[in-house]
Amino acid sequence: GAGVSQSPRYKVAKRGQDVALRCDPISGHVSLFWYQQALGQGPEFLTYFQNEAQLDKSGLPSDRFFAERPEGSVSTLKIQRTQQEDSAVYLCASSLDEEQFFGPGTRLTVL
Amino acid sequence: AQRVTQPEKLLSVFKGAPVELKCNYSYSGSPELFWYVQYSRQRLQLLLRHISRESIKGFTADLNKGETSFHLKKPFAQEEDSAMYYCALSGKAAGNKLTFGGGTRVLVKP
Repeated sequence: GAGVSQSPRYKVAKRGQDVALRCDPISGHVSLFWYQQALGQGPEFLTYFQNEAQLDKSGLPSDRFFAERPEGSVSTLKIQRTQQEDSAVYLCASSLDEEQFFGPGTRLTVL
Repeated sequence: AQRVTQPEKLLSVFKGAPVELKCNYSYSGSPELFWYVQYSRQRLQLLLRHISRESIKGFTADLNKGETSFHLKKPFAQEEDSAMYYCALSGKAAGNKLTFGGGTRVLVKP
């Protein structure tokens, strides 16, 4: 079956622009995670949903970052007024149990 | 706070040689440990987890709670093992979010 998909795969934004990154999890997966991976580093946790409830947003770096999953399926990560330090790969993962299945990521470059 | 440390950024070995990737962690409680792998131009995928105690693609990893380590080993490296490897931990108290190490790039030379 289809795995986790993310769109767009690449996004170039000018500093100060808003961006929206989409994640389509595996059908039926209750849990959804967002991670940020800076160049040369491991992924870092941003936020976690169980169905439509955002249970943990402790990893969001600032109030410019906002995530939602209104119907408990597709999720959107929004970054307002992008800064250069937001440049990274944003990974989405979904799971039913302990194993998380990752999407291909969205590479965001802020100029 | 939970933390995962992978001290080697790069490991270069010859085909057929043993390879060991080090992973140390800190966590208050009983963590679950994982190794994830990312092959070139592919997405991050689970390689193995300590609770399953199985060998995947010839790799094994033993959780040593005394040394807080979860090193990944393979006795005979193959060229197709060249990839990025990430050690990660999660725990029920943390809502199953993963904390990753910085990753180790393995290069297996012919």
